[in-house]
Amino acid sequence: GAGVSQSPSNKVTEKGKDVELRCDPISGHTALYWYRQSLGQGLEFLIYFQGNSAPDKSGLPSDRFSAERTGGSVSTLTIQRTQQEDSAVYLCASRPDLNSPLHFGNGTRLTVT
Amino acid sequence: QKEVEQNSGPLSVPEGAIASLNCTYSDRVSQSFFWYRQYSGKSPELIMSIYSNGDKEDGRFTAQLNKASQYVSLLIRDSQPSDSATYLCAVKARSNDYKLSFGAGTTVTVRA
Repeated sequence: GAGVSQSPSNKVTEKGKDVELRCDPISGHTALYWYRQSLGQGLEFLIYFQGNSAPDKSGLPSDRFSAERTGGSVSTLTIQRTQQEDSAVYLCASRPDLNSPLHFGNGTRLTVT
Repeated sequence: QKEVEQNSGPLSVPEGAIASLNCTYSDRVSQSFFWYRQYSGKSPELIMSIYSNGDKEDGRFTAQLNKASQYVSLLIRDSQPSDSATYLCAVKARSNDYKLSFGAGTTVTVRA
């Protein structure tokens, strides 16, 4: 079946611009995660959505970052006033329950110039 | 101290040899441990999970867990060029915890 889909696959933006990254999880997966992967770094947890519960936003690095998940499905990660240190691969993952493995999308590579 | 630590590598091994990857974690109550493989430009994929002390074997892969030493390892036997990738160690603290903490990954290169 279809996996986790992310778009765009690559995004180059100028410092100070806003960007939106999209994640379409696997159908039926109620849990959705955003991670950030910088060069030489592990996956950094950003935010977690579970069904209709309030999301865990504890990993968002600053108030320039926000995310929403509409209808329990598609999620959008928004970065306002991008900075060069925001350059990274942003990975989305989903799973049907806590005992199942994470299924990752191919990520969005963000470059801030 | 990072929650999950791995040697970044690169780890270079000849084809047919054993590749040994190590991972340590800081939270003593951690219960679930995972190894993900990530090919360059691709997303991570789960290859092994381990929950109890000892060894767990799956094909050419063996995961080893030692909770007393807070140490988990991955052995790749009969390494193949297709095993060349970055291997990420991930740890979940508690059974009902939804967060996975990841290490920075070890890059493995298998020389033909």
